[in-house]
Amino acid sequence: AQTVTQSQPEMSVQEAETVTLSCTYDTSESDYYLFWYKQPPSRQMILVIRQEAYKQQNATENRFSVNFQKAAKSFSLKISDSQLGDAAMYFCAYIGRGSQGNLIFGKGTKLSVKP
Amino acid sequence: DAGVIQSPRHEVTEMGQEVTLRCKPISGHDYLFWYRQTMMRGLELLIYFNNNVPIDDSGMPEDRFSAKMPNASFSTLKIQPSEPRDSAVYFCASSLVRTSGTNEQFFGPGTRLTVL
Repeated sequence: AQTVTQSQPEMSVQEAETVTLSCTYDTSESDYYLFWYKQPPSRQMILVIRQEAYKQQNATENRFSVNFQKAAKSFSLKISDSQLGDAAMYFCAYIGRGSQGNLIFGKGTKLSVKP
Repeated sequence: DAGVIQSPRHEVTEMGQEVTLRCKPISGHDYLFWYRQTMMRGLELLIYFNNNVPIDDSGMPEDRFSAKMPNASFSTLKIQPSEPRDSAVYFCASSLVRTSGTNEQFFGPGTRLTVL
């Protein structure tokens, strides 16, 4: 069975600095998708960034980028120029390409941003 | 598009009562998912539908939980009878399968359920 592990329950970053959130996963599938979701205090789950396993190029979305290491099964999220609005829970998630239902989430990392 | 709509946003009920949570997926989406989020267990998939048909309900905790999708624009998750351990945030999500798609799921705002 696939698993997703986020080893950092909490992280803190100074405003305008850079922070990296870690995520590792375990799977025997070769084709899959990885996601980072943000959950602010409002509880809304917001997709931050996605990565397709067959693409070697790391995905980027403005200040958000990933470091995807397929062999190591690692998928970290880097937030550059951190802003107060980035404070939230961040969840790493996995889904196999052929699977529509089984989006597997990590336990989450709570990110605090200090002014 | 208004996104995935869930109601109510908050529900407080007493043990033993029936609870019904409602979801309207994004128009045109053919998959609908129900998740539960707790501090102890994180986010768990309860059940999902494809074209209104339940595909996998293996995540439904027990027979007290049931879900229906009578049409493409509406789904319900019912708990009868409710218990304090059912207290959680329940999310509904929807997605559209594309041949080159990324299986992205769009989440509703969630329903915070408290069972006293």
